[in-house]
Amino acid sequence: EVQLVESGGGLVQPGGSLRLSCAASGFTFTSHWMQWFRQAPGKGLVWVSLISTDGSTTHYPESVKGRFTISRDNARNTVFLQMNSLRVEDTAVYFCARNLFYDSADVWGQGTTVTVSS
Amino acid sequence: QSALTQPPSASGSPGQSVTISCTGSSSDVGAYNYVSWYQQHPGKVPRLMIHEVTKRPSGVPDRFSGSKSGNTASLTISGLRAEDEADYYCSSFGGHNNFVVFGGGTKLTVL
Repeated sequence: EVQLVESGGGLVQPGGSLRLSCAASGFTFTSHWMQWFRQAPGKGLVWVSLISTDGSTTHYPESVKGRFTISRDNARNTVFLQMNSLRVEDTAVYFCARNLFYDSADVWGQGTTVTVSS
Repeated sequence: QSALTQPPSASGSPGQSVTISCTGSSSDVGAYNYVSWYQQHPGKVPRLMIHEVTKRPSGVPDRFSGSKSGNTASLTISGLRAEDEADYYCSSFGGHNNFVVFGGGTKLTVL
């Protein structure tokens, strides 16, 4: 079964850091770009980051560039999202997803909740 | 404010057809044939319904179809069913400086 399982979410104070993990199984991880999305409570989907198959290419929207870093460990079939300098507006459910083509994601994890609050 | 514009709501009766629009610009929707549509039921994970403007992933009913004209993409759902009631989001490739852009979502109600 193709599966993505996120972990690492939690409550953090503004300015703090969190590292999310996403464990993949059931498919050839090294053949797929991977990405992160987020969804604030009651709001829409927002793309957060994208990483190439070998980790050499990454992309971010301006809203997180310089604060978030996506990486992957192909030996462990895991993708990570290091989030620094967290802001209240980063509060959301974070989804890991398998990239299909450019903007599309065909497999999604269940999400992990990040709450930034003092 | 989302980069792509969707109507906040849409509705239709069972059996009818409904079309949801997604308007971008010449830098995203109009420039590339990389537009996707996602369905999301409350509390659930998004599901990819359409990619590359018109392509349906395996398992998606052929009642769902996508199209594009200029800077506007559209999702059409024919033969509406109660289970189609959900939020629908469009996305587009926005070039290498803004790789993925989303619409704000459309809440579809099946009357």
